[in-house]
Amino acid sequence: KQEVTQIPAALSVPEGENLVLNCSFTDSAIYNLQWFRQDPGKGLTSLLLIQSSQREQTSGRLNASLDKSSGRSTLYIAASQPGDSATYLCAVATGGFKTIFGAGTRLFVKA
Amino acid sequence: GAVVSQHPSWVICKSGTSVKIECRSLDFQATTMFWYRQFPKQSLMLMATSNEGSKATYEQGVEKDKFLINHASLTLSTLTVTSAHPEDSSFYICSARWGQVNQPQHFGDGTRLSIL
Repeated sequence: KQEVTQIPAALSVPEGENLVLNCSFTDSAIYNLQWFRQDPGKGLTSLLLIQSSQREQTSGRLNASLDKSSGRSTLYIAASQPGDSATYLCAVATGGFKTIFGAGTRLFVKA
Repeated sequence: GAVVSQHPSWVICKSGTSVKIECRSLDFQATTMFWYRQFPKQSLMLMATSNEGSKATYEQGVEKDKFLINHASLTLSTLTVTSAHPEDSSFYICSARWGQVNQPQHFGDGTRLSIL
């Protein structure tokens, strides 16, 4: 059974700091891994999608890596801003049409 | 980019009422739609998966008769919470995907359901 774990559960950093969020999964047989952002009381905004054959994806200040063999992904946020404060979720697409989500990392960037 | 519209965004109703939530894909045909439930400060729990024109596949522990899902077209899926009770209060989010499992999911903004 696929399990997705995100560490840390919560993170508080000063503005301008670079930071890394971690995601691990137990079964390497995935189709892709997606990072999302969720603001309080809102739905999910897709940030980056990494297919199983890819190693990383970049969008602006965000960079996500994927190491399928070790079951790990990281989301790197450069030069963090208060507007980056949100919960970040990673999710893996597995067989059977299912997407399994981690519990998320709650990020707070202090001005 | 792809957009999924979920309506309503917020519902408050009395116990015993049935509530319908709509999920529409606005600029693509969604071959598969998903319904999730999210409790405060927790992650998303998949309730069911539906493919257009066929019956939804429910996750273990989710009551089919309580949560009715209809995916009548490639752009619309509905979730009806029948005879809702306070314990059904939650945040419900839908997502839609075009094509195979390696394609991204696009999420609606969610519906906050409060049963009094």
